Amino acid sequence: AQSVTQLGSHVSVSEGALVLLRCNYSSSVPPYLFWYVQYPNQGLQLLLKYTSAATLVKGINGFEAEFKKSETSFHLTKPSAHMSDAAEYFCAVTHDYNNNDMRFGAGTRLTVKP
Amino acid sequence: NAGVTQTPKFRVLKTGQSMTLLCAQDMNHEYMYWYRQDPGMGLRLIHYSVGEGTTAKGEVPDGYNVSRLKKQNFLLGLESAAPSQTSVYFCATDQVFGQRDTEAFFGQGTRLTVV
Repeated sequence: AQSVTQLGSHVSVSEGALVLLRCNYSSSVPPYLFWYVQYPNQGLQLLLKYTSAATLVKGINGFEAEFKKSETSFHLTKPSAHMSDAAEYFCAVTHDYNNNDMRFGAGTRLTVKP
Repeated sequence: NAGVTQTPKFRVLKTGQSMTLLCAQDMNHEYMYWYRQDPGMGLRLIHYSVGEGTTAKGEVPDGYNVSRLKKQNFLLGLESAAPSQTSVYFCATDQVFGQRDTEAFFGQGTRLTVV
């Protein structure tokens, strides 16, 4: 079965600094990979997804992620953090196109300092 | 257009009580899911449905039952609540297989406490 590991349960950056949230996956078949964001007291919202097309995926709010098969990684980055980026971020993996076998990471809480 | 609506948003139960969580979607999606979210564990799939009248077990189904009598509604039942079921529950939906859209849309969650 596939799984993801998010390195770092909490990440703190200053406003304007680079955001890097790490995700490594394990899958015996080609994976589909996702990043979701959860704002306080809300459900999850899709940021971006990798579905075997371009390895560099651009998402909403200036975020992007690069699929690196050799490193089994799918790290999320944003060049310049904004206060509104403070949230919890979840990496997820599936090999089933219909999400019923999707596995989520434990999440990384991003704090942005003024 | 409400999207995915969960009812109730908060609930406190006593051990042994029963309750039903309702998920309603107005997007005409075939697939619906129930997840639980616990600190440090991400989201775990409880049950899911690939269409009206069908349900299947996910990763952590024990202690829960589900029903999908109507396409737009997916019910999650707890017959005899236990403190271990204290969690935040999320419903999600996505489109029909074959339309190549894998984005899942989530409700706002139900915070359940079992005392």
